[in-house]
Amino acid sequence: DGGITQSPKYLFRKEGQNVTLSCEQNLNHDAMYWYRQDPGQGLRLIYYSQIVNDFQKGDIAEGYSVSREKKESFPLTVTSAQKNPTAFYLCASSKGSMNTEAFFGQGTRLTVV
Amino acid sequence: EDQVTQSPEALRLQEGESSSLNCSYTVSGLRGLFWYRQDPGKGPEFLFTLYSAGEEKEKERLKATLTKKESFLHITAPKPEDSATYLCAVRGSNDYKLSFGAGTTVTVRA
Repeated sequence: DGGITQSPKYLFRKEGQNVTLSCEQNLNHDAMYWYRQDPGQGLRLIYYSQIVNDFQKGDIAEGYSVSREKKESFPLTVTSAQKNPTAFYLCASSKGSMNTEAFFGQGTRLTVV
Repeated sequence: EDQVTQSPEALRLQEGESSSLNCSYTVSGLRGLFWYRQDPGKGPEFLFTLYSAGEEKEKERLKATLTKKESFLHITAPKPEDSATYLCAVRGSNDYKLSFGAGTTVTVRA
């Protein structure tokens, strides 16, 4: 089945540690995105990538980093510089055209302990 | 900057009681308006894309419409399984990113 796979589903991190969230898609989509969702708030864009080896900062990129070495994969690293990392993280992908919808994975819930 | 405002924040309906959700937007050159459904603890599920004013899309009990400034999601004769948070998003002509509203949480009581 085609889709977007995020792992792990739940992640616990100690303060001061970096963690990496995985996102893989087999939809042959060019564009991939990372969003953060907090209770009562809309999805906020962290980073997005339109093509392999290229990515752009979104609205809340501070404290996060990404890479796009393969078309299928877009991992997100939450660094120790991110002051409030506890949130629900969502990865999405879409075809190359700007008119097309994005499809989402099932999310990773990150908790700092 | 693209902006999306959804209202109301929450909507409680009796089974069979039809209602509408609103999504107001400002965007430079609309490339698409998107509706999603999100269940608790899950990723958003794509419902509809609307491209131009006057366009309508339907799926089961849901119907989405679009004007130049807003979109409506009409829920006709809802059932408890329609309970979810409904998200609206827009993409403008400036870049690839999707800008989301905060969502409307719909609860349908049997």
